[in-house]
Amino acid sequence: GEDVEQSLFLSVREGDSSVINCTYTDSSSTYLYWYKQEPGAGLQLLTYIFSNMDMKQDQRLTVLLNKKDKHLSLRIADTQTGDSAIYFCAENDMRFGAGTRLTVKP
Amino acid sequence: DADVTQTPRNRITKTGKRIMLECSQTKGHDRMYWYRQDPGLGLRLIYYSFDVKDINKGEISDGYSVSRQAQAKFSLSLESAIPNQTALYFCATSDGNHEQYFGPGTRLTVT
Repeated sequence: GEDVEQSLFLSVREGDSSVINCTYTDSSSTYLYWYKQEPGAGLQLLTYIFSNMDMKQDQRLTVLLNKKDKHLSLRIADTQTGDSAIYFCAENDMRFGAGTRLTVKP
Repeated sequence: DADVTQTPRNRITKTGKRIMLECSQTKGHDRMYWYRQDPGLGLRLIYYSFDVKDINKGEISDGYSVSRQAQAKFSLSLESAIPNQTALYFCATSDGNHEQYFGPGTRLTVT
């Protein structure tokens, strides 16, 4: 079947940039999404990108899409302790990756 | 009040028991979803419904059934629970325009 893959863990220092990577296999994906899950809560949509775009920026968040390599990344600038959470990549809103647990150290 | 509510929030049950997880939403959305979350596996789609008369199997529907009682209600049943159904279960809704709204989750333990 089609897979969405992410590394499971990322640790950064407060103030640094975080980059979370994702690869997907369905070349027909129209939209790709990033969700955030805080402890004890459900997922919340952070941002999404249309497949005909290469980049989308929203305040501290930058999404890069390499459609040729089926690679999606989420960059968080000036990472804060409040950014500690699990980040999920998803394609076409129903197929999710395993999630990357971001830990931000003071 | 929360847009998507799930009951119960936690449940411990024994192997072989029937259990129902309920989901209600006040968003007025037609689309509703059930996922399970397991460590290292992320979210996997169990069933989804695009309107009251529409039910579709997801990636891992075996051992589960659903009922869409109304636009606002979508319940998930385990007819005979088994230990490998121990997981965190999430309900979600959407209007088809990108964002899914998730409930707080139900932690189910099958002993």
